[in-house]
Amino acid sequence: DTGVSQDPRHKITKRGQNVTFRCDPISEHNRLYWYRQTLGQGPEFLTYFQNEAQLEKSRLLSDRFSAERPKGSFSTLEIQRTEQGDSAMYLCASSSPGALNTGELFFGEGSRLTVL
Amino acid sequence: AQRVTQPEKLLSVFKGAPVELKCNYSYSGSPELFWYVQYSRQRLQLLLRHISRESIKGFTADLNKGETSFHLKKPFAQEEDSAMYYCALTNPNFGNEKLTFGTGTRLTIIP
Repeated sequence: DTGVSQDPRHKITKRGQNVTFRCDPISEHNRLYWYRQTLGQGPEFLTYFQNEAQLEKSRLLSDRFSAERPKGSFSTLEIQRTEQGDSAMYLCASSSPGALNTGELFFGEGSRLTVL
Repeated sequence: AQRVTQPEKLLSVFKGAPVELKCNYSYSGSPELFWYVQYSRQRLQLLLRHISRESIKGFTADLNKGETSFHLKKPFAQEEDSAMYYCALTNPNFGNEKLTFGTGTRLTIIP
């Protein structure tokens, strides 16, 4: 499968612990996005990379959240001092720029976080 | 602020009946609109975009700027259409895929 892959698929942690999620985009895609989805809601934009540059961050991304894409390939999303409100599905998506492709995101299966 | 509203969380339709999933948006400008779909145990994926004016799997969607709507329609529902559907928009001036999604509608086709 050459699609977007995310790891781990599920993570259960205790409040106050740190967690890290990894995303491997489709290899030729230079744009990478992180979204968060809570129960009953649609995906909400968190942050976006073009190659290794983080070009935009949502106000949803508090200081406890940090995302990196050091070599412009895979990305990590770290949440420090987790809170119960962080429980959600964290979705990664990638895309290839181009006028015909605008708006088409290729999503991973997501990493589900449960904070106890 | 941009917003996408999908008023129906759940929609059940008999097989062979017409389907219409509603989507309204608020945006100061000319957005690009999309429908994404998530079938059971599959990833979220693009179904169609308004600029393509295409029909995918029998679905069409027309952008009505006057009513700020982008409803998804299919004349004859099929069982395989059962899925979660999300309407989304983006600002074409961004030059990226920062999408604002609605809350989604779960469509169930009754055999």
